[in-house]
Amino acid sequence: GDSVTQMEGPVTLSEEAFLTINCTYTATGYPSLFWYVQYPGEGLQLLLKATKADDKGSNKGFEATYRKETTSFHLEKGSVQVSDSAVYFCALPNAGGTSYGKLTFGQGTILTVHP
Amino acid sequence: KAGVTQTPRYLIKTRGQQVTLSCSPISGHRSVSWYQQTPGQGLQFLFEYFSETQRNKGNFPGRFSGRQFSNSRSEMNVSTLELGDSALYLCASSSTSSSPLHFGNGTRLTVT
Repeated sequence: GDSVTQMEGPVTLSEEAFLTINCTYTATGYPSLFWYVQYPGEGLQLLLKATKADDKGSNKGFEATYRKETTSFHLEKGSVQVSDSAVYFCALPNAGGTSYGKLTFGQGTILTVHP
Repeated sequence: KAGVTQTPRYLIKTRGQQVTLSCSPISGHRSVSWYQQTPGQGLQFLFEYFSETQRNKGNFPGRFSGRQFSNSRSEMNVSTLELGDSALYLCASSSTSSSPLHFGNGTRLTVT
């Protein structure tokens, strides 16, 4: 079945450091891919998405490129801030990819940014 | 525009009891999905509803059920609660089945 694997966390960085969170997936065909972020005490927020190979999603300084050759969708940010401290989830629609309501999520990566 | 609203925010129940959680989607959104979030299992899909019809169901026992009303509001019910049902239950809505999900802040259920 479809699956998503994220890098092991937690990740601890100093402010202004470079961030990479790895995400690889196993799926049939070329599904859309998402990154969601969860701040403490809140639900998930869509951070960015890509709907086809080589698409680059970007939002709030975060970027991720859909690489079909390596089945990856790694999240990057050039300079993190304390306010970026949160849990980050990579996700894809389940088999068939026709409904975004049924998502398979990675295990989540906890990011802590220190001043 | 108001976001996805889940009530209650916190709930404490005893083993064997049943519980009903409520979700009001963003106005105009017809698709509602439910997820369970636990430290051990992460985020797991429960159900998806669209226009009062269940489109997808996750791999949970029959004690977990849900429904959607004509105004798109949704409820999920868990009967005969077990300690392992303690979790954050997240509801999400979208305008169509191919639009990204918008999540509520969840209902934290504790079963003692």
